[in-house]
Amino acid sequence: GAVVSQHPSRVICKSGTSVKIECRSLDFQATTMFWYRQFPKKSLMLMATSNEGSKATYEQGVEKDKFLINHASLTLSTLTVTSAHPEDSSFYICSAGISGSSYEQYFGPGTRLTVT
Amino acid sequence: KNQVEQSPQSLIILEGKNCTLQCNYTVSPFSNLRWYKQDTGRGPVSLTIMTFSENTKSNGRYTATLDADTKQSSLHITASQLSDSASYICVVSRHTGTASKLTFGTGTRLQVTL
Repeated sequence: GAVVSQHPSRVICKSGTSVKIECRSLDFQATTMFWYRQFPKKSLMLMATSNEGSKATYEQGVEKDKFLINHASLTLSTLTVTSAHPEDSSFYICSAGISGSSYEQYFGPGTRLTVT
Repeated sequence: KNQVEQSPQSLIILEGKNCTLQCNYTVSPFSNLRWYKQDTGRGPVSLTIMTFSENTKSNGRYTATLDADTKQSSLHITASQLSDSASYICVVSRHTGTASKLTFGTGTRLQVTL
């Protein structure tokens, strides 16, 4: 089956620093990748949708200058949290889909970000 | 407003017992409905995907039903195991022009005990 990986799985950073999270589709080419965040005991919230080679589309209320998304290849998307603050601490999950197929998004295992 | 509501919020059952989780939605236009299992600290894993014309779909001990008229779905777990302890999330997909958008339920936290 389709596998999506994320790296790192856990990261702790100091307030004011930036952290990059990678999302890779391991055995398929993902034309579209999605970034979600999830707070404890809450549902996944879509942050942005990115298509390979074009700018990401951000959901309302998500700061594009704070959450930088790059989707440079069909197998890799990155999310950079810039000038991180404690309130950015969350569980970040990516998913990958195949163009033309609305049936399935394959989720990564998530990255736990803690900002101290 | 596009919403997905799940019940119960949490559930504790004994190993070996069956259980049924409920999902009601108001998402439109409907594309498909998915059930995911999410272990703590992990990403969601797909259990079933159902389109408008499908009433029931099974995946091992998991059986999902869909009533598109009443906009309700259920996930039945048979002969529960300790490893079934997780959050179960109902997700409804809708088409918006050229893209499909997912609306997530808040999940049902299932705990299977000895």
